[in-house]
Formats: sequence, C-alpha cells, structure tokens
Amino acid sequence: SQQGEEDPQALSIQEGENATMNCSYKTSINNLQWYRQNSGRGLVHLILIRSNEREKHSGRLRVTLDTSKKSSSLLITASRAADTASYFCATAPLETSGSRLTFGEGTQLTVNP
Amino acid sequence: DGGITQSPKYLFRKEGQNVTLSCEQNLNHDAMYWYRQDPGQGLRLIYYSQIVNDFQKGDIAEGYSVSREKKESFPLTVTSAQKNPTAFYLCASSIDRQGSGGYTFGSGTRLTVV
Repeated sequence: SQQGEEDPQALSIQEGENATMNCSYKTSINNLQWYRQNSGRGLVHLILIRSNEREKHSGRLRVTLDTSKKSSSLLITASRAADTASYFCATAPLETSGSRLTFGEGTQLTVNP
Repeated sequence: DGGITQSPKYLFRKEGQNVTLSCEQNLNHDAMYWYRQDPGQGLRLIYYSQIVNDFQKGDIAEGYSVSREKKESFPLTVTSAQKNPTAFYLCASSIDRQGSGGYTFGSGTRLTVV
C-alpha cells in the first residue's frame, strides 16, 4: 500500500505563479523526501526533510513538515515552464536497519508559458 | 561522471520468456533498489539490497528475481511467472543503508509484452 498520498493529483498554473503540492502519510517517519520526474525519465532527488525539522529551503523550493498531522507540503515559487513534471513525496521509516522509501502516486504539475 | 546506468532503455518480451534488466552504478553506493511504475502511478518496490550477496523482497516481488554479486551491479530478471510485466522499471541506489542522502535513480527501462 502507498504510504504517501499527494494532493492534488494534477495542477496547472501560469508561469510566474507559485505551485503548492501536499503529501500525507500514515506511519511515523525518519525523514520525508521530494522527487521530480520528467515524462519517461528517472526520478531526481529534490530535497530531504528530517522528522525533527519543520521547514527547509533549496533555491525556489520550500518544504514544510508537520509530524503531528503527518503531512508535508512542497512550494515552488516563481514557477517556470521547465518545472513541468510529476512530483513525488517519499517517506523513510523510523526503523534503523535500513531504508525502504515508500512513494506516493505523485502530483502532475503543468506550468503554462 | 558518476551515476546509474540502466539498459536497455526499451525491452520487448514474448509470452513465457524471461528477461533481465541491467543496473550498474559507479557511485560506490551500498544499497540498491528496483521499483516498478505503472502509468499515472507511483513507484512500488520490487527488491532491494543493502550489501553485496544479500537482498530482500519488496512489496511486489512475485515473478521477479535479483542477484547482487558485485557492489556495482543489481540485475533484475522478470520471469514468466510475472503475469503482467508491462511497466516502467526504475533502479536506484543510496550511499548507505538508511538512504540518508536520498536515492539516485537511473533513467529507466520500459518493458512491453508482445
């Protein structure tokens, strides 16, 4: 079963606008990661936020994590057409014996020029 | 350049045939993973390996087999027992067992049953 669930499933915005994607998960985690996938390609790691962190920034990306609500959000500011892709959240379990990332079903973001 | 190489990019399988997907990394990563992605869906874990000569089943291991004889290589065999193998297969690696730095993915192999 999928641990993470992204919301919305699809998002269409104009270039220059901000895009916000949400992720909810069910069990306690060690960290949560966001990935990007261009059509027909592999995933690219964007950012990792640990369970003891609440917010993290990387360039135009801002990630928040609320462990009490078991949710995270990814904000892309000043979006560009090149940001068009699918975005996935992935959760790493608390167990220390090894990591098995569990992926959500993704949000398809379309940025219109 | 360091990275993960998956081959072939496209693969066609006949009914009842076994096929092997290649995954090679030169990142010196300990852990490697195989995921399956169906259209419009997320990734599901098939098998993973945290160390050479050891691997564990993921959530959908039936009909698949793997080996990890070398740190750099983690091939996936799709056997005839896998009744619905048409999908996009992604290989990934992480620097340590905890995946603390995130995963690095290959560019995928698209398998089609003909």
